[in-house]
Amino acid sequence: KAGVTQTPRYLIKTRGQQVTLSCSPISGHRSVSWYQQTPGQGLQFLFEYFSETQRNKGNFPGRFSGRQFSNSRSEMNVSTLELGDSALYLCASSLASGGSYEQYFGPGTRLTVT
Amino acid sequence: AQSVTQLDSHVSVSEGTPVLLRCNYSSSYSPSLFWYVQHPNKGLQLLLKYTSAATLVKGINGFEAEFKKSETSFHLTKPSAHMSDAAEYFCVVSLSNTGNQFYFGTGTSLTVIP
Repeated sequence: KAGVTQTPRYLIKTRGQQVTLSCSPISGHRSVSWYQQTPGQGLQFLFEYFSETQRNKGNFPGRFSGRQFSNSRSEMNVSTLELGDSALYLCASSLASGGSYEQYFGPGTRLTVT
Repeated sequence: AQSVTQLDSHVSVSEGTPVLLRCNYSSSYSPSLFWYVQHPNKGLQLLLKYTSAATLVKGINGFEAEFKKSETSFHLTKPSAHMSDAAEYFCVVSLSNTGNQFYFGTGTSLTVIP
């Protein structure tokens, strides 16, 4: 079975621009979660989508948004990019939503904001 | 509130000696606990998980962890370190009532000395 895939793998954007990242979960998985990883803040939860609905949202500004499609693929969007948004963005998929399900992570998208 | 504390930011062991990575958690509800490993420039890989079944959990690559409710701990161990174990290790807590929102510890960097 193919793993979680994320595109693009690397991205360089300018402050003020917007960006869209894509995630394809493992086949059959209905939950997709997004995380931000930075050296200073570590791994932080952004949001989770399950059956096309946002189930949870972390403590991030409204510039961070996401959506999930009927085939469970997910996108996250960051508008009005700031230098502090430079990070590794990880997507994870899970069979279902409920806390006890293990999440399988993709390789991440490395976003650099200049 | 829930949180995870990894007591050591860095651990060094000699090849062939035991590994102990310490994790304490704080949770208002019965948590699910996980250990993930992240090798340089690679995604997060699940080592093992605890979800209220047996308190001693066996994972991949010879790792195991013991859930101790009285000590609110979930330490990761391995009898004999291998060079390939050098990586960053994350302890994670998840709650059933918050979907798939993972709370990550700050990570422990494991160095294996030949």
